[in-house]
Amino acid sequence: EADIYQTPRYLVIGTGKKITLECSQTMGHDKMYWYQQDPGMELHLIHYSYGVNSTEKGDLSSESTVSRIRTEHFPLTLESARPSHTSQYLCASSPTSGRPGNEQFFGPGTRLTVL
Amino acid sequence: DAKTTQPNSMESNEEEPVHLPCNHSTISGTDYIHWYRQLPSQGPEYVIHGLTSNVNNRMASLAIAEDRKSSTLILHRATLRDAAVYYCILIRPGTYKYIFGTGTRLKVLA
Repeated sequence: EADIYQTPRYLVIGTGKKITLECSQTMGHDKMYWYQQDPGMELHLIHYSYGVNSTEKGDLSSESTVSRIRTEHFPLTLESARPSHTSQYLCASSPTSGRPGNEQFFGPGTRLTVL
Repeated sequence: DAKTTQPNSMESNEEEPVHLPCNHSTISGTDYIHWYRQLPSQGPEYVIHGLTSNVNNRMASLAIAEDRKSSTLILHRATLRDAAVYYCILIRPGTYKYIFGTGTRLKVLA
């Protein structure tokens, strides 16, 4: 069973608020990822990290930012939430090893609603 | 990035086998074929992966065509808990990118 956690699971917030979505993993994985998924739609990679102090933007442009100060922690921040940010945000991690195409472990997701 | 093509949806009766197809005609020699599934209101979970040979694990079997341009995920006895969206993904060693696509929504009928 994967040990990757996301909080909160659900968040309803007003426009203009600053929010941080938390993601933590206890597996010691170097690689971590954030995906955005609208209901019934495909997952889009918005951020990823190869390790501490490494962050990159993914394929889908996002107004959110991320940080990676500790291996186990990869929070995502929206400085000013808008209704267009309403979506599900999924965090994932994978190990860095010689194994090709490493399996990704996903958290349960945070469902964000911005009013 | 090599792309995959899957049917949008499939139906199966409970207790019967299910064959979920995936086409990946632009696959390269080093690409691994991964399958994930996403249960309702959950994050995706790994199912199985392979390179050239057929693979079996406790969840499913993966049959890979000899030319590797297609593969089939086999659920030997579908249960109601197998109702999910199944994603076929090509992974190049050393890459971070998992391009999930729209997957196949499997409905299991009681």
